[in-house]
Amino acid sequence: KQEVTQIPAALSVPEGENLVLNCSFTDSAIYNLQWFRQDPGKGLTSLLLIQSSQREQTSGRLNASLDKSSGRSTLYIAASQPGDSATYLCAVKNGGYQKVTFGTGTKLQVIP
Amino acid sequence: ETGVTQSPTHLIKTRGQQVTLRCSSQSGHNTVSWYQQALGQGPQFIFQYYREEENGRGNFPPRFSGLQFPNYSSELNVNALELDDSALYLCASSSDRVPEGYGYTFGSGTRLTVV
Repeated sequence: KQEVTQIPAALSVPEGENLVLNCSFTDSAIYNLQWFRQDPGKGLTSLLLIQSSQREQTSGRLNASLDKSSGRSTLYIAASQPGDSATYLCAVKNGGYQKVTFGTGTKLQVIP
Repeated sequence: ETGVTQSPTHLIKTRGQQVTLRCSSQSGHNTVSWYQQALGQGPQFIFQYYREEENGRGNFPPRFSGLQFPNYSSELNVNALELDDSALYLCASSSDRVPEGYGYTFGSGTRLTVV
């Protein structure tokens, strides 16, 4: 059974800092890993999708890396802004039917 | 390209009642998955529908059931509602037409409160 862990559970940083969110998973036989952002009481917005054959993906100030062998992914946010404040979730897709397993998220607060 | 649409956005029901939540999948997606997200938790997988059949289920009792229609839209039905069913219910669509998949597109969710 796949288990996904995100550390830290919460993070508070001053505006402008670069930061790293961590995601680890127990079963390395994955199809892909997806990072999402969730604002309070809202749905999930996809940020980056990394296929199992890839090592990283970039979008603007966001960069996600994937190391399947060690069961880890990181989401790097450069020059953080107050608008980045949200909960960030990583989700791992394994084979078979397209079940995706989520971590419990990292709640980020960027202080102006 | 349209996104995933869920209705209603909010719902209040009484314990013991039944509820139906609806989801329209993203254009071109043929698979729909439903998730339950309790406050402060990550989404928990309920079940997935592909070609109008359930093809995967999480650790949820049979009173959670679903349907997928020929246009790939879907319903989640919950019978005999319990207080613990209060949560955000998320629908996600995806496609199996690429071996590794394009990943999930989520709707904005339905907030269900059981009183």
